[in-house]
Amino acid sequence: DQQVKQNSPSLSVQEGRISILNCDYTNSMFDYFLWYKKYPAEGPTFLISISSIKDKNEDGRFTVFLNKSAKHLSLHIVPSQPGDSAVYFCAASDNNAGNMLTFGGGTRLMVKP
Amino acid sequence: DSGVTQTPKHLITATGQRVTLRCSPRSGDLSVYWYQQSLDQGLQFLIHYYNGEERAKGNILERFSAQQFPDLHSELNLSSLELGDSALYFCASSVGGRRGSPLHFGNGTRLTVT
Repeated sequence: DQQVKQNSPSLSVQEGRISILNCDYTNSMFDYFLWYKKYPAEGPTFLISISSIKDKNEDGRFTVFLNKSAKHLSLHIVPSQPGDSAVYFCAASDNNAGNMLTFGGGTRLMVKP
Repeated sequence: DSGVTQTPKHLITATGQRVTLRCSPRSGDLSVYWYQQSLDQGLQFLIHYYNGEERAKGNILERFSAQQFPDLHSELNLSSLELGDSALYFCASSVGGRRGSPLHFGNGTRLTVT
């Protein structure tokens, strides 16, 4: 049973345009969400997070939106750059799970020059 | 460079064998986490240690065990290996064990069971 789902395995975007990566979750106990980026042959690196008390968090070119009623979050990258090409993982945790994260399957983003 | 070191990078072994994966956390980090990533899937949480003590267990098989030593490095032991155990095994560390303490991942150990 996948509690965190990223339904798009891949996404291709032109450089300079917006990239939107989506993530859905089923566990209503999740209240903290994160995005990680992973390059080939490297471990995931933390990108941005959001708590359920917010519906938006912004960090430079990266913005995460949270829609609790829909159990949906999205990561917006504006403007997209070729260096953003990577696999993006959505992750979630609940208050009782400490720092244990439940990850989605990932979306491979390709930004074309 | 995350500061988390995992060895070896690659491991090829046969079914039924036993292997040990090693992780050195970032300097100052007390928590170590182990995750398994199979076949381009998401990372599955295995186990969390904080300052030498087990804090949380995920879907870790009974054939797998881990420990964190006084110098804070950690080892993940996988025994009676099966073909399905082939995966990327990631170690991550964080300063504390509470939520919100960012996880810093190593580059993983790729295990191939033949």
